[in-house]
Amino acid sequence: NAGVTQTPKFQVLKTGQSMTLQCAQDMNHNSMYWYRQDPGMGLRLIYYSASEGTTDKGEVPNGYNVSRLNKREFSLRLESAAPSQTSVYFCASSELGNVPGELFFGEGSRLTVL
Amino acid sequence: QKEVEQDPGPLSVPEGAIVSLNCTYSNSAFQYFMWYRQYSRKGPELLMYTYSSGNKEDGRFTAQVDKSSKYISLFIRDSQPSDSATYLCAPSRGTDKLIFGTGTRLQVFP
Repeated sequence: NAGVTQTPKFQVLKTGQSMTLQCAQDMNHNSMYWYRQDPGMGLRLIYYSASEGTTDKGEVPNGYNVSRLNKREFSLRLESAAPSQTSVYFCASSELGNVPGELFFGEGSRLTVL
Repeated sequence: QKEVEQDPGPLSVPEGAIVSLNCTYSNSAFQYFMWYRQYSRKGPELLMYTYSSGNKEDGRFTAQVDKSSKYISLFIRDSQPSDSATYLCAPSRGTDKLIFGTGTRLQVFP
């Protein structure tokens, strides 16, 4: 069972470069999320999508854009990467109506911006 | 004040010890209290949750909520090296938008 799949797992960028993190889930969930995890800061929500065709800002959206391509896929784009965006990024999905607050996470994408 | 506060640890205990992990929160609207476990270089996964106040037991794990003091606890009995992980509390209003604590790193040594 694949669950939530993120690519790439590791990436090194130079300041000002752009890149897209890809996420796909095979659980037919409506909701998808992008979080970043930093030491001492915990998991912080960047963007989420409650259903196909909708996206909303989370706690730390600046410097990021998202696309909910279809029900399965939710991508996160960094248009002009900055060292402050060095982090581990997690994609997650859920289905409201199941266990409230049960999110299924991918294994993470480790991004370093030099 | 942060909505959720959690001691980051690390907490190092011998195998067989009883472990207590704690969080405090400030928003009285939270109704569901989740505990996620995250192994090194993996994504978090839901360990257990409670609704409103009270206790919930699942094997060696007990989750406890005291809404009057806004205090959340996770107890691990007979801790094992395989319990070594980071534990994140995450209260919720019943939606899937969670507020995560910073996580407590636990190490159980043989």
